[in-house]
Amino acid sequence: ELKVEQNPLFLSMQEGKNYTIYCNYSTTSDRLYWYRQDPGKSLESLFVLLSNGAVKQEGRLMASLDTKARLSTLHITAAVHDLSATYFCAGTNTGNQFYFGTGTSLTVIP
Amino acid sequence: GAGVSQSPRYKVTKRGQDVALRCDPISGHVSLYWYRQALGQGPEFLTYFNYEAQQDKSGLPNDRFSAERPEGSISTLTIQRTEQRDSAMYRCASSNPGGETQYFGPGTRLLVL
Repeated sequence: ELKVEQNPLFLSMQEGKNYTIYCNYSTTSDRLYWYRQDPGKSLESLFVLLSNGAVKQEGRLMASLDTKARLSTLHITAAVHDLSATYFCAGTNTGNQFYFGTGTSLTVIP
Repeated sequence: GAGVSQSPRYKVTKRGQDVALRCDPISGHVSLYWYRQALGQGPEFLTYFNYEAQQDKSGLPNDRFSAERPEGSISTLTIQRTEQRDSAMYRCASSNPGGETQYFGPGTRLLVL
């Protein structure tokens, strides 16, 4: 079974600062996904990373994948309050099951 | 439809009753997934379908849980003889194969008293 670990679990950061969320996984994963979940809401897809070295950016968020290190990162640049949410990464195995991390709860404070 | 829909949105039931949770995926999506999400946790895989075929049910906790998707579109997750530990948010997601992202529904909040 693919194990997915995220850190930190909780992150409080000031507006305008940069930070990185880390996602480690235990065995080979075909793909890596990042999702955002607002309180009481469903999950919203952010990025799909399909290969080693993949980098994708959307606004203030940038995700990358290093399959050799079994590591994905979600980098936040110049945080704003609207980015406050819980962020999940998920990997898949060859059976196409999705395994989610426990999430990183991000709070951006003025 | 415009997105994944689930019904009911909230379900309160007494221990020992059976419940059926419905998922209506995005039109044309081949794959349909069921997850259970506890408070403060990530979604936990239960089962998934490609078209009407159940591809993997290894995540179903026990034989009280079952799922079907008879016509390759709408799916039902059934929990028989519910127990208090079954209380959770049950989420459905749909996608197309080939590494595409999953689109999640709003979930059904199940409370077993």
